[in-house]
Amino acid sequence: EAQVTQNPRYLITVTGKKLTVTCSQNMNHEYMSWYRQDPGLGLRQIYYSMNVEVTDKGDVPEGYKVSRKEKRNFPLILESPSPNQTSLYFCASSPQGRGEKLFFGSGTQLSVL
Amino acid sequence: GESVGLHLPTLSVQEGDNSIINCAYSNSASDYFIWYKQESGKGPQFIIDIRSNMDKRQGQRVTVLLNKTVKHLSLQIAATQPGDSAVYFCAENYAGNNRKLIWGLGTSLAVNP
Repeated sequence: EAQVTQNPRYLITVTGKKLTVTCSQNMNHEYMSWYRQDPGLGLRQIYYSMNVEVTDKGDVPEGYKVSRKEKRNFPLILESPSPNQTSLYFCASSPQGRGEKLFFGSGTQLSVL
Repeated sequence: GESVGLHLPTLSVQEGDNSIINCAYSNSASDYFIWYKQESGKGPQFIIDIRSNMDKRQGQRVTVLLNKTVKHLSLQIAATQPGDSAVYFCAENYAGNNRKLIWGLGTSLAVNP
């Protein structure tokens, strides 16, 4: 089944403890992206990648890192999480580039205490 | 329409009725528009898209209408079903913005049985 898989689904952590949220897609898409979703603020893009080894900042990149060593995987790294990074995170991929027909994962609900 | 503050606008319809969800987009240069559906606990799911050289596009039970004169987009759902209950997002992009998607804040659709 074609899908974007994120793990974990839920994560509770403490301030400053490094964490990684994994994202994998099996559709051979070149474009991948991370979003966070907060009430009243909608979906905001964190980072995106147009292809392997190519990553760019989105609207809210501060406090996050990403890597794209292989086409299918696009992990999101929080080196030192803070409570303001408590949010619902979505990974997405697209066969057509940055702005079209995104396929989303099921989301990761992160709570930073 | 688009939401302000923390509360999404809500559209409540009876099962079997037609639903119309509206979206006012922000940029007259936008030339691509897309609708997503987000069910509770899931990631956004692509519904339908339209380019600015069209004013109407139909899918299965859904129709998107584009009025460029007043920068307005609508999603019509025919014979609304309980499974249509979700938050619906419109998004736009344009070439001058590097095709970055600009997201609306969403409209909640509640279908009453």
